[in-house]
Parts: sequence; structure tokens; C-alpha cells
Amino acid sequence: DAGITQSPRHKVTETGTPVTLRCHQTENHRYMYWYRQDPGHGLRLIHYSYGVKDTDKGEVSDGYSVSRSKTEDFLLTLESATSSQTSVYFCAISESDIGLAGVKEQYFGPGTRLTVT
Amino acid sequence: KNEVEQSPQNLTAQEGEFITINCSYSVGISALHWLQQHPGGGIVSLFMLSSGKKKHGRLIATINIQEKHSSLHITASHPRDSAVYICAVNFLQELVLGDARRRALTFGSGTRLQVQP
Repeated sequence: DAGITQSPRHKVTETGTPVTLRCHQTENHRYMYWYRQDPGHGLRLIHYSYGVKDTDKGEVSDGYSVSRSKTEDFLLTLESATSSQTSVYFCAISESDIGLAGVKEQYFGPGTRLTVT
Repeated sequence: KNEVEQSPQNLTAQEGEFITINCSYSVGISALHWLQQHPGGGIVSLFMLSSGKKKHGRLIATINIQEKHSSLHITASHPRDSAVYICAVNFLQELVLGDARRRALTFGSGTRLQVQP
């Protein structure tokens, strides 16, 4: 199993409070992703990173920011949590490869269940 | 729009039955992934393929690039196969957004499989 952990695993917070979720990997993989999983929508990309300090937005990035100051850590921040951000959040990692054509498997963390009341 | 569709959404089978889950996608891809998610949340990669067929134990994944379609088959199903099976793809079009974005996954909504003893 890929070494990828998420913390916290469960969190309940109130509307308007800031929340930071952490993804930590021990694989030294270049690419890291944050997804959210919601009934009826499946998994959707929030933000991704392709290196230290290199991040970009995914399809559902509004209300979220990210940071990657070290290869092993990718943080997801909800600046002011809203009830619509109640979800299960998954971090994933994948390694780089040689050439544009290939992609690699993604390895997923165990998920963080966030409830915003 | 880049879309991934799975069918059926829900599937109940008797132990020992042959199971097929289908996935179709809208535009060209560089790879297709089949993932498994057990109750309790963890997501595991089963297969990554870009052509042909792959087999692992009782699981078989096939892909037809021309028809933009993939199937996941489970032979001799068992109650422990009960899980949500998720199809995900790397869309080629997203290369215009950058190589890292192309490596992110776009997911189907999943197929919930229940195998009864």
C-alpha cells in the first residue's frame, strides 16, 4: 500500500469557521490531488499540485485553497466553511513518468469526513 | 463536456454469478481506471488500462477505444465483492490545461454491487 495518510479522519465544524485538512505521503510522488465525494456527484477534483509551490484549480475549487510547501504535504483549506462543503474528502497521489503519453495509477488516502453544521 | 457514465447504478447478484459493469466516456482518453470502494470508504485501484484487456484473479477489465467503452467483469462472484465500483478516466483534451491536469481523474458515479450468499 502506498504511504498516504489524511488528518483528521473526521471533523465536525460550524459554518464560518476555517478548516484545514492535511494529506501526507511518504512515496515522494510528484502529483497530489484533492477530491470530494458526494452522493449523486461521485468524486470531483478540487485542486491539484505538480510540485512544491505548484498548484492549480480543479472543477470545484470555489471556497477552497491549497498549499504545498513540502513534497510530502498537501493542505486543503476551507477559509470559511459552509454547509455545502459537508463531504468526504480524498487525497490522491501519483508518480511522474517519462513522456507526455503515459499516466500512472493514483493511490488514495483513507478520506476525511467533514460535517459543517 | 467531458463525461463518464456507468451502468447499472445498483446491482444485486447471487453468489457465483457472472457480473458485468459498464463504463462509457465522451471523448478521447489516455487511460481508464477501475476503482473499488468498500463500505467505510477506502478507494483502491483495481486496473489501469489504455487498450485491450487485463485480468487479476476473478476480475477482468476490457476496453474498446473506438467505441469509448469499458467493462469490468467479475467471475464467480462472492459476498466479499460487495462494494462500489468506480470507473475513472484521464481525458486527453485536458492536456491543454497542462500535463498535471491531464493526470487528474474524471469519475463516473459508481456502481453499487451487492452479492448475496
